[in-house]
Order: sequence, then structure tokens, then C-alpha cells
Amino acid sequence: AQKVTQAQTEISVVEKEDVTLDCVYETRDTTYYLFWYKQPPSGELVFLIRRNSFDEQNEISGRYSWNFQKSTSSFNFTITASQVVDSAVYFCALIGGTSYGKLTFGQGTILTVHP
Amino acid sequence: DAGVIQSPRHEVTEMGQEVTLRCKPISGHNSLFWYRQTMMRGLELLIYFNNNVPIDDSGMPEDRFSAKMPNASFSTLKIQPSEPRDSAVYFCASGRGVFEQFFGPGTRLTVL
Repeated sequence: AQKVTQAQTEISVVEKEDVTLDCVYETRDTTYYLFWYKQPPSGELVFLIRRNSFDEQNEISGRYSWNFQKSTSSFNFTITASQVVDSAVYFCALIGGTSYGKLTFGQGTILTVHP
Repeated sequence: DAGVIQSPRHEVTEMGQEVTLRCKPISGHNSLFWYRQTMMRGLELLIYFNNNVPIDDSGMPEDRFSAKMPNASFSTLKIQPSEPRDSAVYFCASGRGVFEQFFGPGTRLTVL
């Protein structure tokens, strides 16, 4: 069985603050992939990043960065200098090597960035 | 490049009517997925196709739901007859293999 937990239901910050969204996962597969998706108010699901279980290097893309730690089964997402346009629901998700494409999503974190 | 295309974007229908949702995957992708999003259950995988063949349909709620992929560039999800509890946002996603999934804009279905 697979499970993704995003303990933070809602986060509210003021523009330019840094914010970290937590994601903890469970899987028995030794090979797996982790994802983050953004769902803005318009409703589409926007792919942000994919990480495989053999690559624990942190990744940075502009104001976004991801910290993958297998020891704690976590894949946290940090937005630096947040902007109003970052306001959205963010989903962490997992595909296990034996789950044949089934993305298991967390419940999502609603991020609101105030001007 | 065009992303995943879904139509219609919004559908309002009455209970008992047939509903057909359509999806055009990204060219070159060989996997296609249908998901449903509701407030109560979040995002759930309904069915997954690989090379146009259904691989896993264990998420399809019941016999009222059916999905087809007649060719690599088109898939449909049909609900017949529709019920109010089917109201949700339905997403189609495609990818190269199972470990990559890019989502379409979704179809918001309301069954009255």
C-alpha cells in the first residue's frame, strides 16, 4: 500500500516570505517516483517536479526548491520569496514501482500568499 | 507543443443522461490516465491505458462507467446513466511510460 501525507491543510503567508510545504510518504517499493503538482484557482494540475527514489539530490528551479530525504521518507517543497501568483493548492504524489502508474496523491496544501 | 486537451471543459446534465468526456493526449505519449477529483475523496485514478490497451480499471466506480481508447490520440470516458454523485472534475493525463503524467485542464461535470 502507498500513502502520501501532507499534514498542512492550509498555509497563509505574506508576499516575500519563504514557505515550506511538507510531504511524507509510505511505500514498500524500493523503486518509486515522487511528484509535486500545483493546482491554481483555475483548476488545472500543473506538473512541477518528478524525483526517483535513487536520486536524493536536492533540486532548485528559480524560487522553488525540493528536499528529498529517504531517511525520513520526506519530500518537502520550499518557495522562496513567495508571490501572490503562488497561491494555489499543492499536491505531493507518489508512484511505486509495482503500482503500474497509479499516482497516489496527498490531500493537498492550500497556500495563500497575501500582498 | 500542445498539452493534453480535454472536452468539454464544463458539462451540466440531468440525472439519467449519458455523458461522454473526451481526451487527446500529448503526441508521442503512450500512457493515458483518467482521474476524478472530489472534495471528499481527493484525486482518484479511474483507469490507465498503455499503448491503447486498458491496464488497470480497478478504480472505475461501477458498470455505469466505461472508457475506451480507439487510437493513440483519443480516449473517451462515458457515464451511462449519470447520477448526482458523479459530479466531480475529471482529469485526463498522459505520459511516456507510467512514471510520467501530465494533466489536462479537466472537465467539470455537474449532474442535476
